[in-house]
Amino acid sequence: GQQLNQSPQSMFIQEGEDVSMNCTSSSIFNTWLWYKQDPGEGPVLLIALYKAGELTSNGRLTAQFGITRKDSFLNISASIPSDVGIYFCAGRIGGGADGLTFGKGTHLIIQP
Amino acid sequence: SAVISQKPSRDICQRGTSLTIQCQVDSQVTMMFWYRQQPGQSLTLIATANQGSEATYESGFVIDKFPISRPNLTFSTLTVSNMSPEDSSIYLCSVGDRGRFYTFGSGTRLTVV
Repeated sequence: GQQLNQSPQSMFIQEGEDVSMNCTSSSIFNTWLWYKQDPGEGPVLLIALYKAGELTSNGRLTAQFGITRKDSFLNISASIPSDVGIYFCAGRIGGGADGLTFGKGTHLIIQP
Repeated sequence: SAVISQKPSRDICQRGTSLTIQCQVDSQVTMMFWYRQQPGQSLTLIATANQGSEATYESGFVIDKFPISRPNLTFSTLTVSNMSPEDSSIYLCSVGDRGRFYTFGSGTRLTVV
């Protein structure tokens, strides 16, 4: 099946720093999604990308859908303590296969 | 986006028993899915719940172990059958609409003892 390679696995940063994480795949995806999951909760959708090359922002978050449709990145600017959590990328191939394939997650830890 | 209510939120079950998890959505949605998240791991798609027909299962998941119902456009159930400790996971319901707006419930935290 399809696999998403998400990196880095974890990040230890200082408050106020910018954060960048990415996902790559050997398969083409028609949709890329970025989620954040807090302990004891389900994933919450941060940004959805539907077109190759699309660049979308949501407050301090910016994500891009790679031109090849095989990758995506998420940037967080000026990190704050509430950004702590696990970030997942997810992709949808489409064409009848509408479920999502998830990356393994990036655990963001912010040091005071 | 759709609001999903998932019940129960958590349960502790004896091995060999079955648990049925309910997923209720506040609006009609075209797609409903069930995922499993094993401890400390990512999410894995179990199946797509199809209204009025049998669910479509992903590789490694079978109907006898994870029977799914979807009687209408707002409700679905997932049963975890003949449970073993290896089934201890978070089970999550998700919905999508025409390939967009994929949202998740809060999950059911299952512990099998």
